[in-house]
Amino acid sequence: GAVVSQHPSRVICKSGTSVKIECRSLDFQATTMFWYRQFPKQSLMLMATSNEGSKATYEQGVEKDKFLINHASLTLSTLTVTSAHPEDSSFYICSARGGGPGNTIYFGEGSWLTVV
Amino acid sequence: SQQGEEDPQALSIQEGENATMNCSYKTSINNLQWYRQNSGRGLVHLILIRSNEREKHSGRLRVTLDTSKKSSSLLITASRAADTASYFCATDGTLRGAQKLVFGQGTRLTINP
Repeated sequence: GAVVSQHPSRVICKSGTSVKIECRSLDFQATTMFWYRQFPKQSLMLMATSNEGSKATYEQGVEKDKFLINHASLTLSTLTVTSAHPEDSSFYICSARGGGPGNTIYFGEGSWLTVV
Repeated sequence: SQQGEEDPQALSIQEGENATMNCSYKTSINNLQWYRQNSGRGLVHLILIRSNEREKHSGRLRVTLDTSKKSSSLLITASRAADTASYFCATDGTLRGAQKLVFGQGTRLTINP
């Protein structure tokens, strides 16, 4: 079946540095990709929606200059957390919507970010 | 939450009992989906019910949808210890002019052996 690959699965970075998380659709072209953040014992909060070749649409309260999203191709979207702070430590999950029947949405395995 | 509420927030039952979780949402939807998540892991898609459907079954899972009340329920029958996880509903619909998948707050289900 369709697979969405997310990398890295775990990353530790120093406060003030930037870190990039990749989300790839492996066997389908993703017209739309979504990025979520999840704090421990909480639900997934939609951060932004990205469409290939256009600017991402950010949800209310999400800083677009801090969470840079690029969707340069139909199989790759990246989330860059800039000038990371310890409060950015979280589980980040991407999902991709394919163009098949029902426009099924597939999720990546998630990336744990720890900022020290 | 961004879209709606789930209740209960936490549910603890004995193995073999049935577990029912409820989800309410706010906007019109194309479909509603239920997901499962084990602690610290990714999401597992359980079942999708379309807006024109009222009930759907998959193995030990039964999902209902009431679009007039903007609510859905997930029933897990004959629960097993391995069903212990968090369960989320997610609505696939148009929100503020864009098509999105938005999650409820989730229910933490614990099955006691």
